[in-house]
Amino acid sequence: DAKTTQPPSMDCAEGRAANLPCNHSTISGNEYVYWYRQIHSQGPQYIIHGLKNNETNEMASLIITEDRKSSTLILPHATLRDTAVYYCIVPFNQFYFGTGTSLTVIP
Amino acid sequence: EAGVVQSPRYKIIEKKQPVAFWCNPISGHNTLYWYRQNLGQGPELLIRYENEEAVDDSQLPKDRFSAERLKGVDSTLKIQPAELGDSAVYLCASSGTGRTEAFFGQGTRLTVV
Repeated sequence: DAKTTQPPSMDCAEGRAANLPCNHSTISGNEYVYWYRQIHSQGPQYIIHGLKNNETNEMASLIITEDRKSSTLILPHATLRDTAVYYCIVPFNQFYFGTGTSLTVIP
Repeated sequence: EAGVVQSPRYKIIEKKQPVAFWCNPISGHNTLYWYRQNLGQGPELLIRYENEEAVDDSQLPKDRFSAERLKGVDSTLKIQPAELGDSAVYLCASSGTGRTEAFFGQGTRLTVV
């Protein structure tokens, strides 16, 4: 089962882009990369997912390397409300969240 | 559209007592998940349902935990008897058919004293 590696914590200045990396070197060819975040005392919130191509939605962009062994979640203009734990999950049906990256957006 | 609804939001019980959690998934979602989240950790899967069938319950401690999903809609997770180590947040999530994202409820925070 594919698992992920994320840095335990990151800081980002408000208004700047937050780039959250994730390594998933054992990912299989048909497995998607999912990103969730969890704000304190709330349930995890879906952000975005992708297979091969880069993806963008109203919340974030997902950049997946050509070999698919790593990806980066980009929050283009971080706000204080983006302070949360961010989880990279591969594949979702294995349900391995890990401990994620605790992102702190600094005023 | 209503999201995943869980109740109760908080529960405090004494050890050895039973407790039950209820989940109403998003309408039309066939897949339902129960997770447990310990403090400072990511959610861990307990059981996954496809309609009424439990397709993955390998992480469910079956000696004291049970779950059911009658008619493939609502689900109940039960612990009997509860132990101090069961204190955690219990999360329910649901997703549609295929490789779609899952949506989570707010969770039930259980404290066993």
